[in-house]
Amino acid sequence: QKEVEQNSGPLSVPEGAIASLNCTYSDRGSQSFFWYRQYSGKSPELIMFIYSNGDKEDGRFTAQLNKASQYVSLLIRDSQPSDSATYLCAVSEGPLVFGKGTRLSVIA
Amino acid sequence: DAGVIQSPRHEVTEMGQEVTLRCKPISGHDYLFWYRQTMMRGLELLIYFNNNVPIDDSGMPEDRFSAKMPNASFSTLKIQPSEPRDSAVYFCASTQGGTTEAFFGQGTRLTVV
Repeated sequence: QKEVEQNSGPLSVPEGAIASLNCTYSDRGSQSFFWYRQYSGKSPELIMFIYSNGDKEDGRFTAQLNKASQYVSLLIRDSQPSDSATYLCAVSEGPLVFGKGTRLSVIA
Repeated sequence: DAGVIQSPRHEVTEMGQEVTLRCKPISGHDYLFWYRQTMMRGLELLIYFNNNVPIDDSGMPEDRFSAKMPNASFSTLKIQPSEPRDSAVYFCASTQGGTTEAFFGQGTRLTVV
C-alpha cells in the first residue's frame, strides 16, 4: 500500500515569511513528485513537479526532493495571504497517490 | 481546451437512489481517473482507465460503485443504491501518459440524505 504522509496543519505564517511544507512517501520506486494547491471548494491545481534529487525553483516556489530519505518539500518565499490554501503532495509510479494535505494560513 | 468537465456540480439525493456522475476528459489524454475526497480520508483513487479500458478498480469501495468509459471523451461513475456515507466530492482527472501531471475537473459535490 503506497502511502504519502503530510502534517495536516494548520501551518500559520506571517505575510512575507517562508512557508515550509513537508511530505514523506513509502514507495521507494516512486519516480515523479507533485505539489498541488487546493483552495476551499475548488479542485486541485498543479504548482510544481520534480523528478530528480535536489532543488527546483519556480518563482516564489522551490520544490526539494531527497529520494534516499523519501522526502519531498515545498518552500514558499515571501508568503502572501493569497497563498492560504491546502497543499497536497502527490507521488507517482503510475496513478497519483495523494497525501491528505497541509492547510496553510498566511496572516496579513 | 476547456479542461476536464464534470457534471453535475452538485447533487443531493435520497438514500437508496441511483446517482450518476459524468466526466469529459481533456481531448488527447489517454488516462482518466476518478477520485473521491473527504475530510477524513483525503483524495482517494477509486478507479482509472487507459485508452477507455479499466486498469485498476481496487479503490472502488463496494459493489454499489461502478464506472464506465464507453469512448475517449466520456466516463461515468454510478452509485446504486446510494448511502449517506457516500457523501463526498468526486473528482475526475485526466493525463497524457499515466505518470504525468493530472488535470482535475471542478468536481461533483454529492450529498446523500
